[in-house]
Amino acid sequence: AQSVTQLGSHVSVSEGALVLLRCNYSSSVPPYLFWYVQYPNQGLQLLLKYTTGATLVKGINGFEAEFKKSETSFHLTKPSAHMSDAAEYFCAGAGSYQLTFGKGTQLSVIP
Amino acid sequence: EAGVAQSPRYKIIEKRQSVAFWCNPISGHATLYWYQQILGQGPKLLIQFQNNGVVDDSQLPKDRFSAERLKGVDSTLKIQPAKLEDSAVYLCASSFRAGYTFGSGTRLTVV
Repeated sequence: AQSVTQLGSHVSVSEGALVLLRCNYSSSVPPYLFWYVQYPNQGLQLLLKYTTGATLVKGINGFEAEFKKSETSFHLTKPSAHMSDAAEYFCAGAGSYQLTFGKGTQLSVIP
Repeated sequence: EAGVAQSPRYKIIEKRQSVAFWCNPISGHATLYWYQQILGQGPKLLIQFQNNGVVDDSQLPKDRFSAERLKGVDSTLKIQPAKLEDSAVYLCASSFRAGYTFGSGTRLTVV
């Protein structure tokens, strides 16, 4: 069965520092992979997704993620954190047209 | 295009009462999902519909939860009777190919 693991339930970075949120998937067949952001009391907003083709995927708000099959990873990065990036981030994989989510990583940005 | 509509936005009920949530997916999206998101966790799939048929309801607590999608468009999720542990955000999503769109969710509090 498809599973997604997010390493680190809470990550703190200083404003302007690199953001790195880690995600690994477990699947014999590489799934479609997604990163979502959730602000308090709001729904899930798609940041980016990988389906096929280029392994470096660029998303909204300056985020990007690289699909690495050899490492079964899909880590999310942003070169410079902004205060507005503070939120919960979820990695998800789609197999059999079902999205399976990781447990989430809470990103805090320190001024 | 219009997004996934959900109502109500918030609901507070006493344990053992019943509650129903409504979802209207994006027009043309054949697949509809209900997810349960407990505070501090990633969303968990409850049920997946393809048109008006159930594809997967393996994680739906069928002794108290039910869902239907009449005419393959909008859907309702019902809980009867509710338990304290049902307090969560209930998210509806619809998909077409590899595009998944989530509604804002219904926040249920069971007291």
